[in-house]
Amino acid sequence: QITLKESGPTLVKPTQTLTLTCTFSGFSLSTYGMGVGWVRQPPGKALEWLALLYWDDDRRYSPSLKGRLTITKDTSNSQVVLTVSDMDPVDTATYYCAHSAHADYVGYYFDYWGQGTLVTVSS
Amino acid sequence: DIQMTQSPSSLSASVGDRVTITCRSSQYTGTRLNWFQQIAGKAPKLLIFAASTLHTGVPSRFSGSGAETEFTLTINSLQPEDFATYYCQQSYSTPHTFGQGTKVEIK
Repeated sequence: QITLKESGPTLVKPTQTLTLTCTFSGFSLSTYGMGVGWVRQPPGKALEWLALLYWDDDRRYSPSLKGRLTITKDTSNSQVVLTVSDMDPVDTATYYCAHSAHADYVGYYFDYWGQGTLVTVSS
Repeated sequence: DIQMTQSPSSLSASVGDRVTITCRSSQYTGTRLNWFQQIAGKAPKLLIFAASTLHTGVPSRFSGSGAETEFTLTINSLQPEDFATYYCQQSYSTPHTFGQGTKVEIK
């Protein structure tokens, strides 16, 4: 059974760096085809894809956040960490981590999600 | 980035109705198209991946079709628990962009 859970601060100040941790179980990020990604959702708005870390340590980021994102893994602790630098009030959102499954000729898809964590950016 | 456009943005329907939501991509995405359901205040749930493959445990009243740049999610015989917002997402190339969502409301 795959589960994921996000943790981190609920409030950050403008210009600070946000660090979020996704702790997962039920799979190993060292296994071929596995991945963990991050998606955010501002209040009342649509989902926004942020980043994806693949089993082979390949990392992909959303260009719209212009280099502010870093995704890393701690395989031994079954965790993936996302940092977002230079936070702004427009970054206020619920941040989700999700397991990315893979199948040949199908590609990747988020099949299991964490419950999400609301992060507010305010001074 | 590949832009995903859903239509309509919202719709009203009754229990038992058949509902169809369309998703168009700005570039070719093959069949690398996923559909998610999000109930207010909850995390999204995967319904369909690879345009037409039902995820484990998803009721058979949900179906997906399409390829290249045009895709459809159909809900046959809408149930009370289906009132939610639905998102498409392409996984053909990163960033794996989402559509803006379609809110299905009770008529």
